[in-house]
Amino acid sequence: DAKTTQPPSMDCAEGRAANLPCNHSTISGNEYVYWYRQIHSQGPQYIIHGLKNNETNEMASLIITEDRKSSTLILPHATLRDTAVYYCIVSSGSARQLTFGSGTQLTVLP
Amino acid sequence: DAGVTQSPTHLIKTRGQQVTLRCSPKSGHDTVSWYQQALGQGPQFIFQYYEEEERQRGNFPDRFSGHQFPNYSSELNVNALLLGDSALYLCASSYGQTLYEQYFGPGTRLTVT
Repeated sequence: DAKTTQPPSMDCAEGRAANLPCNHSTISGNEYVYWYRQIHSQGPQYIIHGLKNNETNEMASLIITEDRKSSTLILPHATLRDTAVYYCIVSSGSARQLTFGSGTQLTVLP
Repeated sequence: DAGVTQSPTHLIKTRGQQVTLRCSPKSGHDTVSWYQQALGQGPQFIFQYYEEEERQRGNFPDRFSGHQFPNYSSELNVNALLLGDSALYLCASSYGQTLYEQYFGPGTRLTVT
């Protein structure tokens, strides 16, 4: 699986968009980008995933660059409950495990 | 619809003892994966069970073993506990071994003294 690089921490004002970057310059053609988050004292929660195209669901949007070497997770209107560690994971479609890195601690400020 | 449930919530064991942790997957899910999360780190994959068989294993010693039952629930067993086994143990369920939309339980906090 390709390695990912994320900033260790970020702050965001409540109500504003939170843009979380992830670098995955060694990604292969068959590898997906997955985003999970972990709120303190809870298990990780799936957010979104994509291969090439941008994706959007009720939680977030995922923007993947054309060369697929980086991506951005966008929370359009961050709330205090979005404070969590966000993990960007790259893995092939046939993989059976999620390989978590250190993630980004997002703190949403009132 | 109940999500993933794990028991017990907390557990304290002594070095050298054995422990069994339990997981019930989300309704409709047939695959269970186990992860270990040490304090301040991301979860690490232990193994995955599908159709009552271990399908993939992470870099964990044989002291870690598991089982999946016909109703898809699962157990994680750890023998000869070490102080370093103290961690949060997370169970994740999914349908058909997929990586997306894996649902995680709240975890079992194991403390080895």
